[in-house]
Amino acid sequence: AQSVTQLGSHVSVSEGALVLLRCNYSSSVPPYLFWYVQYPNQGLQLLLKYTSAATLVKGINGFEAEFKKSETSFHLTKPSAHMSDAAEYFCAVSSYNFNKFYFGSGTKLNVKP
Amino acid sequence: EPEVTQTPSHQVTQMGQEVILRCVPISNHLYFYWYRQILGQKVEFLVSFYNNEISEKSEIFDDQFSVERPDGSNFTLKIRSTKLEDSAMYFCASIPTVSNTGELFFGEGSRLTVL
Repeated sequence: AQSVTQLGSHVSVSEGALVLLRCNYSSSVPPYLFWYVQYPNQGLQLLLKYTSAATLVKGINGFEAEFKKSETSFHLTKPSAHMSDAAEYFCAVSSYNFNKFYFGSGTKLNVKP
Repeated sequence: EPEVTQTPSHQVTQMGQEVILRCVPISNHLYFYWYRQILGQKVEFLVSFYNNEISEKSEIFDDQFSVERPDGSNFTLKIRSTKLEDSAMYFCASIPTVSNTGELFFGEGSRLTVL
């Protein structure tokens, strides 16, 4: 079965600092991987996705993630945090036929002024 | 931009009552999903639906739950007899035909509170 693990339920960074949110996946086949963001009282929005093309994926709002097969990781980064980045971030993996998506437990990002 | 819409945004119900949550997926999408998120916990898969039948369901999706697409546009989740532990945010999502992107398009959710 596929799954994702997100290390750190809460991450706090200062405005302008590097953001690093960790995600490791467990999959027996090359996966499709996603990062979603959830702002308070809203649904989930796609930040970026990896679908077996380039291993470094760029998403919206300056976020990017790198697929590392050797480490089974898909960590999310942003060079400089902005106050508006405060939200909850979910890593997800899908089955090969997209019949089912598995979400991590989420990481709440707090950005301090 | 097309979007998934859900109603109601918030429903409060008494334990044991039936609840129907409604979703209108994006019009050209063919795969539909229900997920739920209990407050403070992860987003959990409930069920996927394709070609007017359930494709896959989780262990959470027991006999108290059902889904249907009654009129070709709405996609509903019914909980027959709600329990306290059904209190959660329920998200509908959809994707177009099986593609090489698989991006889920989520609605804004329906918050269910069972008293």
